[in-house]
Amino acid sequence: ETGVTQSPTHLIKTRGQQVTLRCSSQSGHNTVSWYQQALGQGPQFIFQYYREEENGRGNFPPRFSGLQFPNYSSELNVNALELDDSALYLCASRPSGTGADGELFFGEGSRLTVL
Amino acid sequence: RKEVEQDPGPFNVPEGATVAFNCTYSNSASQSFFWYRQDCRKEPKLLMSVYSSGNEDGRFTAQLNRASQYISLLIRDSKLSDSATYLCVVNKGLSGSARQLTFGSGTQLTVLP
Repeated sequence: ETGVTQSPTHLIKTRGQQVTLRCSSQSGHNTVSWYQQALGQGPQFIFQYYREEENGRGNFPPRFSGLQFPNYSSELNVNALELDDSALYLCASRPSGTGADGELFFGEGSRLTVL
Repeated sequence: RKEVEQDPGPFNVPEGATVAFNCTYSNSASQSFFWYRQDCRKEPKLLMSVYSSGNEDGRFTAQLNRASQYISLLIRDSKLSDSATYLCVVNKGLSGSARQLTFGSGTQLTVLP
């Protein structure tokens, strides 16, 4: 039990639609990051938020956007969905003050299927 | 070339066997290294960090060779419960609290009774 919860667990969308995925991290975890994991691949870094500001981004287009709220919950929004966006989306958080080497705690993910 | 490359696997080994996984990374500026474990249809979980001096946690031993940009994980006396995908993970070491982990594609291990 990591204390990181994500919703929804599964969803199906059609190409061109928009989706919002949600994450609630543990109390005291002020850094949240999002990863995309395609089938048979490792997770790929999308972006990271620290104190409600994006402070790192991977190689994903602008149609992937996010928010972090004062209570450290977070959202990932994807616009204009494409078939290749079908994947498991993982939210990860880490405790304040643990530095760059602190363990990341992952949620169980939201599995998105784009038809 | 992928930033983090792992043995493709899958590895199917009998209980009690010793198995080793290898991983190479391309960014020489990488600062920290980890092995994560991911069970089928579950989230990744930290197995262990990897240090230059090598480190051991029970049946698990991790090694790092910075000169060769190579990381390894050795599992001794394999248990059925070790069956999972093992992900090699590298931190690019961005400044401040930013932290971008780069994951390998994972190596699947199945321990057979």
